[in-house]
Amino acid sequence: QVQLVQSGAEVRKPGASVKVSCKASGFTFTNYYIHWVRQAPGQGLEWMGIINISAGTTNNAQKFQGRLTMTRDTSTSTVYMELSSLRSEDTAVYYCTRSGYYPRFDYWGQGTLVTVSS
Amino acid sequence: DIQMTQSPSSLSASVGDRVTITCRASQSISSYLNWYQQKAGKAPKLLISDASSLQSGVPSRFSGSGSGTDFTLTISSLQPEDFATYYCQQSYSTPPTFGPGTKVDI
Repeated sequence: QVQLVQSGAEVRKPGASVKVSCKASGFTFTNYYIHWVRQAPGQGLEWMGIINISAGTTNNAQKFQGRLTMTRDTSTSTVYMELSSLRSEDTAVYYCTRSGYYPRFDYWGQGTLVTVSS
Repeated sequence: DIQMTQSPSSLSASVGDRVTITCRASQSISSYLNWYQQKAGKAPKLLISDASSLQSGVPSRFSGSGSGTDFTLTISSLQPEDFATYYCQQSYSTPPTFGPGTKVDI
């Protein structure tokens, strides 16, 4: 069955970086796109960016330009999301999610809580 | 970016009630509209894609309609497990954007 399994919760100080992993199984990894969506406490869903698994190309939301890096390792079917220059407003649950060509998010990881606090 | 709005922001309902949630896009998105259900502490779950296509395994009491800028999610007979927050999301253009959510509680 399709699964996206994310790495565990992280705590970081302001100004630091965090790297979250998302390991895929149960489907042909290179046929899909992986997106990152975050949710601040008590808030809605915010799209961050997409990585084309086959080509390795990425596209980020404007607000994360220069701070968000997404990579993939096709040998382990894992995608990585690194967010730098963290601030308290980045405290959120970060989800990886899968789509085909159109961004309909049919499978989601379990979420990774990233807490930014001094 | 396309802005998505939802109404109401929350509603209280009883088991067996018919519930309707509305989603509006700031410009036409054809039928590129998806609905998700999110329960507390869990990842969202895709219920309906392309405005009206029910995902496999989703109960038939859920239905979606609309095109252009106005869309509706209907739960025909609310069940205890349906108490959750519902989000719409447009997949017409990048960036994909979500509505602010509608919380359905007792």
